[in-house]
Amino acid sequence: DGGITQSPKYLFRKEGQNVTLSCEQNLNHDAMYWYRQDPGQGLRLIYYSQIVNDFQKGDIAEGYSVSREKKESFPLTVTSAQKNPTAFYLCASNTGITGELFFGEGSRLTVL
Amino acid sequence: GESVGLHLPTLSVQEGDNSIINCAYSNSASDYFIWYKQESGKGPQFIIDIRSNMDKRQGQRVTVLLNKTVKHLSLQIAATQPGDSAVYFCAETRGYGNKLVFGAGTILRVKS
Repeated sequence: DGGITQSPKYLFRKEGQNVTLSCEQNLNHDAMYWYRQDPGQGLRLIYYSQIVNDFQKGDIAEGYSVSREKKESFPLTVTSAQKNPTAFYLCASNTGITGELFFGEGSRLTVL
Repeated sequence: GESVGLHLPTLSVQEGDNSIINCAYSNSASDYFIWYKQESGKGPQFIIDIRSNMDKRQGQRVTVLLNKTVKHLSLQIAATQPGDSAVYFCAETRGYGNKLVFGAGTILRVKS
């Protein structure tokens, strides 16, 4: 089945550690996105990529990094510079032409 | 965008009744709008979309209404079912290839 796969679903991290969240899509979409969701809030854009080997900062990029070496993959690294990393992270993709986003099931990161 | 913090607006309806979820969008230049449904611990799912050249669009049991004069969007769910319980987000964008901007969301609770 076509879709977006995020892993891991749950992740625990100690303060000061970097962690990488995986996002893979087999929808042949050009554009991929990472959002952060906190309780009671809407989705905030971290980074997005409209084409391989190119990506742009979103509204809350500080403390995060991404890469887009393959069309199918858009991993997100939460670095130790991110002051409040505990959140639900959502990866999404679209054709880059239409607005509709297709979302993965999310990764919940908890910093201990 | 603005956040309502930890207390999202909540709409409680009786099973079988109709639900109306409202959204005020921010950008008068936005021309494409989407409603998403998010169940607990999952990624958002597309429900219905509408372009700014329309006032109303119907889907299966759902209707979206757009009032550009007051920048207001609503989602009507007919004969609400327990499975409709979720958080509902509206999202807006302008033109092709632009980022979606999400609202904070509304919790819909369906009482049996």
